[in-house]
Amino acid sequence: GENVEQHPSTLSVQEGDSAVIKCTYSDSASNYFPWYKQELGKGPQLIIDIRSNVGEKKDQRIAVTLNKTAKHFSLHITETQPEDSAVYFCAASKGGSARQLTFGSGTQLTVLP
Amino acid sequence: KAGVTQTPRYLIKTRGQQVTLSCSPISGHRSVSWYQQTPGQGLQFLFEYFSETQRNKGNFPGRFSGRQFSNSRSEMNVSTLELGDSALYLCASSLSRTGVGYNEQFFGPGTRLTVL
Repeated sequence: GENVEQHPSTLSVQEGDSAVIKCTYSDSASNYFPWYKQELGKGPQLIIDIRSNVGEKKDQRIAVTLNKTAKHFSLHITETQPEDSAVYFCAASKGGSARQLTFGSGTQLTVLP
Repeated sequence: KAGVTQTPRYLIKTRGQQVTLSCSPISGHRSVSWYQQTPGQGLQFLFEYFSETQRNKGNFPGRFSGRQFSNSRSEMNVSTLELGDSALYLCASSLSRTGVGYNEQFFGPGTRLTVL
């Protein structure tokens, strides 16, 4: 089955700096890659996603890049703010009858004021 | 539009008991998936329901089961609870299984189950 590895497990940055979280996946049939943000006591919140026919997608301060050949994708957060502090999860799915999400292990992002 | 709701939010049970958790998807969403989140195993897929039928199942024992009703609301049941079943159980809803937006899954706040 699919395996998703996520690095780093913890990341501390100064407010205003950029943060990058990287994930690799094993199944070349995966074609959908969402990123979720989970705050304490809450469920994961979808923040951005990318499909395998796109190399990059941006939404304000958040961007995701995908390299299908290398089977890795990354989340980029620019101009970080204290409210960006949370656990971030990457995930992958194949769609169709195998739509379940396989998650990475999570990255605890701390933005220091 | 209201998000995914899950009840109860917290639950304490003892070993051997059974438990039923409930999920109401976003209005208009017809697919419901369940995930288990633990510190050791992370987020793991349990099963997916669409049109009252289980469409997909993760690698969990038969003690874990679910169902979906005609209004798309879903329940999951865990029988003969074990200590290791202590986890946050998350429900996610999707618009459909095909067509525009079929991939996006939106999560509820979860039900925190503690097994003593």
